[in-house]
Amino acid sequence: QKEVEQDPGPLSVPEGAIVSLNCTYSNSAFQYFMWYRQYSRKGPELLMYTYSSGNKEDGRFTAQVDKSSKYISLFIRDSQPSDSATYLCAMSRADGLTFGKGTHLIIQP
Amino acid sequence: EPEVTQTPSHQVTQMGQEVILRCVPISNHLYFYWYRQILGQKVEFLVSFYNNEISEKSEIFDDQFSVERPDGSNFTLKIRSTKLEDSAMYFCASRGLTNTEAFFGQGTRLTVV
Repeated sequence: QKEVEQDPGPLSVPEGAIVSLNCTYSNSAFQYFMWYRQYSRKGPELLMYTYSSGNKEDGRFTAQVDKSSKYISLFIRDSQPSDSATYLCAMSRADGLTFGKGTHLIIQP
Repeated sequence: EPEVTQTPSHQVTQMGQEVILRCVPISNHLYFYWYRQILGQKVEFLVSFYNNEISEKSEIFDDQFSVERPDGSNFTLKIRSTKLEDSAMYFCASRGLTNTEAFFGQGTRLTVV
């Protein structure tokens, strides 16, 4: 089993919809959980990071962590065409990040 | 806003040649990383660097790869003898001592021909 599993998509939704992106992981040693957004041929851009189980909200974005189920989510409300990108989950131990494959999200105008 | 900068943005090199990819991390950061992303594939960890030494490296980071922090500001990745399969985007990242967020540069696209 891979350490981090993420559906690569593509996930296509209409503008204004709520988007749900998810990752599962197998290693209990992961302590920090991050979501990055990556536009084509650009570097990953940090969106959110969380440490504990529960929800963290920032504008239209909500990150959710369930350590008991080893499951993390990113919700995007009122999705915009500019949200179209690849979304990468990433998890951290003492050093270094392990990334999911990334989900390619398309918001249709 | 401070950012990680990488040069060059695109490097084309012949197979067997040495390349050096350069990064300037955020100035007060202490942990430095190199990742690579082959076109269409996931971002892969190569190496982490702290206190002037490698703290962790992946299986990808073999003897052909080396890292250096020559002058306290630059952080370089050297590939000694490039292979076709080294063609990828190479991302540098850095983070500070007290936080866990890693910030990435825009990447160097390496094309080995």
